[in-house]
Amino acid sequence: SQQGEEDPQALSIQEGENATMNCSYKTSINNLQWYRQNSGRGLVHLILIRSNEREKHSGRLRVTLDTSKKSSSLLITASRAADTASYFCATDSSGTYKYIFGTGTRLKVLA
Amino acid sequence: GAGVSQSPSNKVTEKGKDVELRCDPISGHTALYWYRQSLGQGLEFLIYFQGNSAPDKSGLPSDRFSAERTGGSVSTLTIQRTQQEDSAVYLCASLAGTSTDTQYFGPGTRLTVL
Repeated sequence: SQQGEEDPQALSIQEGENATMNCSYKTSINNLQWYRQNSGRGLVHLILIRSNEREKHSGRLRVTLDTSKKSSSLLITASRAADTASYFCATDSSGTYKYIFGTGTRLKVLA
Repeated sequence: GAGVSQSPSNKVTEKGKDVELRCDPISGHTALYWYRQSLGQGLEFLIYFQGNSAPDKSGLPSDRFSAERTGGSVSTLTIQRTQQEDSAVYLCASLAGTSTDTQYFGPGTRLTVL
């Protein structure tokens, strides 16, 4: 079964609004990564947060990690139509190289 | 300097035929993953190669699936006697070497089994 689960499964917002998506996982991790996927093809890495970090920023992206709750959130501020994509979290089990991807959040930003 | 490439980009085959999917990782990357993604789903881990170590094949769904990596570079995923449930996008990713590295994904191969 998938380690990571994102919610919501789908999100539709207006351009300029903020989008928040969440990821929950089950086991201890070394790090958690967020990826973006356009049109069901290759994934693009967005941001990595390590287990000893609580918050990280990259441009319009803000990621938080709560290891006590085994959850993470991705915030995209001032969304654009070009942000329309599926977003996945990926977690590694501590001490392993095996990443488990969640089922993704499909974000649609309306112009 | 190119990224990860995969071929073919699309493959349509008949049930029962064998298919080979190819992945060319980023030069110098020692680790390589294969994933499968069914329509509207997340990524399912299939197999992992790291350097010269024995691959982790624990994600392969059946013995019809196999993969090899020649010379620590190019990888081929082979599906024998394809079934309709094998229809999916097969994604390859490479990374420089440690579990904390970013995975760089190829564009995927969309496999359709009729």
